[in-house]
Order: sequence, then structure tokens, then C-alpha cells
Amino acid sequence: QVQLQESGPGLVTPSGTLTLACRVSGGFVGSDNWWSWIRQPPGKGLEWIGEVLHTGRTHYSPSLRSRVTLSVDKSKNQLSLKLTSVTAADAAVYYCARDSCSEMSCYSEIWGPGLLVTVSP
Amino acid sequence: SYELTQPPSVSVFPGQTARITCSGHALPKQYAHWYQQKPGQAPVVIIYKDNKRPSGIPARFSASSSGTIATLTISGVQAEDEADYYCQSADSSDSYRVFGPGTKVTV
Repeated sequence: QVQLQESGPGLVTPSGTLTLACRVSGGFVGSDNWWSWIRQPPGKGLEWIGEVLHTGRTHYSPSLRSRVTLSVDKSKNQLSLKLTSVTAADAAVYYCARDSCSEMSCYSEIWGPGLLVTVSP
Repeated sequence: SYELTQPPSVSVFPGQTARITCSGHALPKQYAHWYQQKPGQAPVVIIYKDNKRPSGIPARFSASSSGTIATLTISGVQAEDEADYYCQSADSSDSYRVFGPGTKVTV
């Protein structure tokens, strides 16, 4: 049974860089799955950040494309998210998820519990 | 960029039917997926590819899609169905995914 667990700093300073990891257990990041990152500001809706394949291929949200980088580390069996130039608007619960894709359509079938990230000086 | 539209809230009495719509111009070309999120929990997919229900999801959850509108139906709503519901799809060129703004179902 695949399980995901996000980790990283719970507090980031404005204009800094947010780096998060997502450890995968019960499965392998090198499998033929897309892996997504989604975030949710407190009290607000879900926002899709992007997705990454083990080959390094990525898709990003147009609104975050200039600031975000997703990657896969097969040696650690984990995913990584890097978000630069953070502002208060980036404060959110960040989720990683394993996607299921078929017929050119993907949905996030397995989610991590999420990690709250606060942006403050 | 591409956006999906959902009603902010739906109220329904126990045992009644709740319907939640999701509107988007690319829906004729792209599948819609639906998630349920309860407070303090990660979302759970309840419908994928317009109308497929994952194992373990009760049969009272169903969905359809026609033209630019996808619809999630909860038949015989139970108190435990009180949650936020999000649709998710992709832009017409399938280059990125989007979530709808979410609909709060109050029972």
C-alpha cells in the first residue's frame, strides 16, 4: 500500500525559497506514475501546482511556472518541490499525491496528509 | 488561464439528493474528476473520468458530464456526506490541471 509523507520547514521567510520533500513508502517513485503537488491556503480551495514523472518530465500551473521546480530522487525514493520568491500568498497546506492516468487524463488517487507552511519574517 | 466554476454551497436535508455542477469550456474534451474533503483531512477521489467510482466509495455518489457541465450527484444524502467537494480537470491542450473552487455541502 503506497503511502506519502510530506516534510520540510513549517516556516519560510518572505522572498525566501520553500523546499519540501515527499517520501514514498510501499511504492517506487521510478514507477510509471505521475506525481503531483497540490496546495490549499487556510480556509480556501485546492490549487494544483504541478506534476512530475520519474524521467524528469514536468507540467506546471501557469500561475506558478516561473517560480516552481519539481523533481524526483530515485535514490531516496522521494519527490521534491522548490518554490522561490515566496510571499504570504504562498502560505498553505502542501500535499503530494500519486496520480492515476489513462486516456490522457490524470487524477490524484493517493494523497499525503499534507504539511502546513507559514510565511513570516 | 483555464478555470472551472462551481456553486459555493449546497444545502440538503438527510435523505434528499444533492447535485453539484462544475462548468468549464474544455469539459467536452477533458474528463472531470471529483474529490471529497472533510475538515482537517486530505481530499479523497470519489469519482474519476466523469462517472467512474473507485472501490470503497458508496454507490450513492454518481456523476455525469454533458457538454461544458459535469455534475456530481449524491443520492440519499447522509450526515457524513457534509464536506467540501471539488471538481478537477485539465485545459483543452492537456498541459496543466485545474481544480474548481469547491462546493460546501451542508446536511
